[in-house]
Amino acid sequence: AQTVTQSQPEMSVQEAETVTLSCTYDTSESDYYLFWYKQPPSRQMILVIRQEAYKQQNATENRFSVNFQKAAKSFSLKISDSQLGDAAMYFCAYRSATTSGTYKYIFGTGTRLKVLA
Amino acid sequence: GAGVSQTPSNKVTEKGKYVELRCDPISGHTALYWYRQSLGQGPEFLIYFQGTGAADDSGLPNDRFFAVRPEGSVSTLKIQRTERGDSAVYLCASSLRGRGQAQETQYFGPGTRLLVL
Repeated sequence: AQTVTQSQPEMSVQEAETVTLSCTYDTSESDYYLFWYKQPPSRQMILVIRQEAYKQQNATENRFSVNFQKAAKSFSLKISDSQLGDAAMYFCAYRSATTSGTYKYIFGTGTRLKVLA
Repeated sequence: GAGVSQTPSNKVTEKGKYVELRCDPISGHTALYWYRQSLGQGPEFLIYFQGTGAADDSGLPNDRFFAVRPEGSVSTLKIQRTERGDSAVYLCASSLRGRGQAQETQYFGPGTRLLVL
């Protein structure tokens, strides 16, 4: 079974600085997707960035980028120029890409990001 | 169009009571997922619908939990004989086609916070 581990329960970053959130996962599959979701106090999960396992190039989305190390099963999120609105819970998630799969997400336990003014 | 909506936003009930939680997916989305998020945890998969049928209910914790999607749109999660351990946020997500489309993004609703006293 696949597992996702986020070892940082809480992180803080100064506004305009850069912060990296860690995520490791375990799987025996070769084809899968990895995601970072943001969950503000409103509870709504918002997709931040997605990485296809078969792509070597790291995904980027404006101020958000990932460092995907497939062999090490590591998938960290870097937030540049942090803004107050980035404060939220961040969840790393895994999804199988097998054609018979249900594509359910497997989530980590989350990292609470605080942005200091 | 509108996003995924869930009602009620909050539900307080007494131990032993029956509750229904409703999810309205994005119009046209055939795949629908239910997740449960306990305090301090990431969401955990409960059940997946492809159209009207439950394609994967492996995450339902026991037979007190049941979900339906009779017309392939709105879904209702039903919990019988509620227990204090059922207290959690119940999240619903939908995606356009589901099966065979692992690359699809799942869009989440704001969740229903259930408190069992």
